[in-house]
Amino acid sequence: AQSVTQLGSHVSVSEGALVLLRCNYSSSVPPYLFWYVQYPNQGLQLLLKYTSAATLVKGINGFEAEFKKSETSFHLTKPSAHMSDAAEYFCAVSYTGRRALTFGSGTRLQVQP
Amino acid sequence: GAGVSQSPSNKVTEKGKDVELRCDPISGHTALYWYRQSLGQGLEFLIYFQGNSAPDKSGLPSDRFSAERTGGSVSTLTIQRTQQEDSAVYLCASSFDAQETQYFGPGTRLLVL
Repeated sequence: AQSVTQLGSHVSVSEGALVLLRCNYSSSVPPYLFWYVQYPNQGLQLLLKYTSAATLVKGINGFEAEFKKSETSFHLTKPSAHMSDAAEYFCAVSYTGRRALTFGSGTRLQVQP
Repeated sequence: GAGVSQSPSNKVTEKGKDVELRCDPISGHTALYWYRQSLGQGLEFLIYFQGNSAPDKSGLPSDRFSAERTGGSVSTLTIQRTQQEDSAVYLCASSFDAQETQYFGPGTRLLVL
């Protein structure tokens, strides 16, 4: 079985500050890991994905995430938050035998001016 | 190109009625997924279609839920005898094949009164 835990349902940062959204996964087989962003009343948009190539993955809008097998983590970071980054972020996992995504509970990012 | 489209965008129905939700995947995508997003349960997988293979129905919450995919393209999710707990946003996603990134539609917001 696989699962995803996102620590912190709400995170608030100041504009220009570092963004760190935490994701830990549980998987008995090599995982594929994803971060999606959801803006209000919209669907999910892929930010980045890890598929067993480079452990540091760069995505859109200046986000990146590092796969750490020893810590079973895939935390999302951005060096400098922008007001437009305010949204809900979901970490998700899948694997070769089951392509359906298992999502974390989401983290709502608030950016203060 | 056009993304995943879903209709209707909003649906209000009375308890006990049947509803049909439609998904038009990205042209050429062979894999299609349905997910449900609700306040209490977060984002949950419902059903997955891949080409002509038998669908993976393992996420359907009850036998009131069914889905079909005609001609390997458009999919319809049907909920019979709707209950208030069915109120949620139903998201559809498609991918080029099972190995690839899932692209999400904007969702159908269902409210059961």
